[in-house]
Amino acid sequence: SQQGEEDPQALSIQEGENATMNCSYKTSINNLQWYRQNSGRGLVHLILIRSNEREKHSGRLRVTLDTSKKSSSLLITASRAADTASYFCATVSSYGKLTFGQGTILTVHP
Amino acid sequence: EAGVAQSPRYKIIEKRQSVAFWCNPISGHATLYWYQQILGQGPKLLIQFQNNGVVDDSQLPKDRFSAERLKGVDSTLKIQPAKLEDSAVYLCASLGLAAQYFGPGTRLTVL
Repeated sequence: SQQGEEDPQALSIQEGENATMNCSYKTSINNLQWYRQNSGRGLVHLILIRSNEREKHSGRLRVTLDTSKKSSSLLITASRAADTASYFCATVSSYGKLTFGQGTILTVHP
Repeated sequence: EAGVAQSPRYKIIEKRQSVAFWCNPISGHATLYWYQQILGQGPKLLIQFQNNGVVDDSQLPKDRFSAERLKGVDSTLKIQPAKLEDSAVYLCASLGLAAQYFGPGTRLTVL
């Protein structure tokens, strides 16, 4: 079963705007990861946030984690057309199993 | 560093036929995964190997799917016989220090 549920399912923005995607999950986790998938390609790991962390930054990416609400968000600042892709959150259990959500399709218009 | 290799990239077969996919993980990665990704959904884990042993195959439809990793390096995933609902992208991944590294996938179409 899918653990993470992303919302929105699709997001369309203009270049330069910020994009925020949310992920909710149901069970306890060891860490939560965000992946990106370009059309027809494999997934690329973006960022990992551990269960005892609340916020993490990597370049234009900012991830937050609220374990009390069992939710995470991914913020992409100053978006570019090249950011157009599907974004997936994946929860990682204590024994290392990755469970992906349905994903958010991001379209950035130039 | 070479990434995860998969072949073929595309495969079209008719239902009830057999098909096999191959994966070569990143050198030194002991843990290997096979995922099924149906269009519009996130990847679903089919099987996880640690070296040549199976760690988790709870979501593998064992009546038609099989996988092996005999020497703890390359792996093959087989479907026999295929059904229409097996049409999907099959992704292989190997585990690095903290994240999984994915191959480009094999897109299977079952007619």
